[in-house]
Amino acid sequence: KQEVTQIPAALSVPEGENLVLNCSFTDSAIYNLQWFRQDPGKGLTSLLLIQSSQREQTSGRLNASLDKSSGRSTLYIAASQPGDSATYLCAVRGAGKSTFGDGTTLTVKP
Amino acid sequence: DTEVTQTPKHLVMGMTNKKSLKCEQHMGHRAMYWYKQKAKKPPELMFVYSYEKLSINESVPSRFSPECPNSSLLNLHLHALQPEDSALYLCASSQGKGGVNTGELFFGEGSRLTVL
Repeated sequence: KQEVTQIPAALSVPEGENLVLNCSFTDSAIYNLQWFRQDPGKGLTSLLLIQSSQREQTSGRLNASLDKSSGRSTLYIAASQPGDSATYLCAVRGAGKSTFGDGTTLTVKP
Repeated sequence: DTEVTQTPKHLVMGMTNKKSLKCEQHMGHRAMYWYKQKAKKPPELMFVYSYEKLSINESVPSRFSPECPNSSLLNLHLHALQPEDSALYLCASSQGKGGVNTGELFFGEGSRLTVL
């Protein structure tokens, strides 16, 4: 059974800092890994999707990496802004379904 | 259009009521999902439909009944729910390829359900 862990559970940084969120998974037989953000009471917004054959994906200030062999992914956020405050979830896609981590709640202070 | 639309946004129902949640997507996706999310927890998978057929039921109680009338619509029928079923119900869709769902998940904004 796939298990997904996200560290840290919560993170508070001052505006402008670069930061890294971590996601680890136990079964390397995956199709893809997806990073989401979720604002309180809202749905999940897709940030980046990395297919199993890829090593990284970039979108604006976000960069996600994937190391399947070690069961790890990182989400790098450059020059953080207060609007980045949200919960960030990673989801690992196996056969037919995705397994989510518990998320990292990020607070960026002005 | 990368939108998944869920209605209603909020629903309050009694334990004896029958209600339905609705989800719609027009991205041509052939896989659709229902998730349940409790406060400060990750989404939990309930059901997966692939090419309009139920492919995964994560041992969900029968008081939740999914329906996929066509490739764009997904319903969740609710009957005789319990207060502990109060949660955010999320619908998602993804591209299916030959029955193997490897595509990006797109989520709706969710339906906030309160059971009194």
